[in-house]
Amino acid sequence: EDQVTQSPEALRLQEGESSSLNCSYTVSGLRGLFWYRQDPGKGPEFLFTLYSAGEEKEKERLKATLTKKESFLHITAPKPEDSATYLCAVYSSASKIIFGSGTRLSIRP
Amino acid sequence: GAVVSQHPSRVICKSGTSVKIECRSLDFQATTMFWYRQFPKQSLMLMATSNEGSKATYEQGVEKDKFLINHASLTLSTLTVASAHPEDSSFYICSASGGPGNTIYFGEGSWLTVV
Repeated sequence: EDQVTQSPEALRLQEGESSSLNCSYTVSGLRGLFWYRQDPGKGPEFLFTLYSAGEEKEKERLKATLTKKESFLHITAPKPEDSATYLCAVYSSASKIIFGSGTRLSIRP
Repeated sequence: GAVVSQHPSRVICKSGTSVKIECRSLDFQATTMFWYRQFPKQSLMLMATSNEGSKATYEQGVEKDKFLINHASLTLSTLTVASAHPEDSSFYICSASGGPGNTIYFGEGSWLTVV
């Protein structure tokens, strides 16, 4: 069964304190793994798409990596405006998209 | 990046009436569109997947006669909540694939309140 698990559920960091969010997955044929950021009351905002193991992508303070079993979203020297829920989703070869439950990230000034 | 627009962003309707939510891909042809609902502090729950010109595929537990999905063109999908009830109040989000890199882009979401 296709499944996506994100950890931790919630993460509180001090401004400037780097950390990583985890997305573990099992899927029958990976077409893509997506990372999104969601602010309260808004739709998810696209961050990255990763297609194959070993791939990495960076955007400002965020870096996403992918292996055959999991993806990490590394956040370097975060700022309070990085506070949001980060969602991971996999798009399977059966054209199904499965979301993780998200990680609520809170950055204290 | 590609843009997906939803309308209306907020709607309040009376119990028993029907309400339609539109999802448009503004700068790419969306071969597949997805509809989700999201309850507060929970993740997105996929309701259905629709391909242009075909009937939508509904997830288990989602009533197809209540949540009517039409994907009439490559840039427009609509979700109609038929005979809405207060328990249908939720945040509804659409997404579309077919844009650059086949990434899935999301609309801004629509808040439905049924009174």
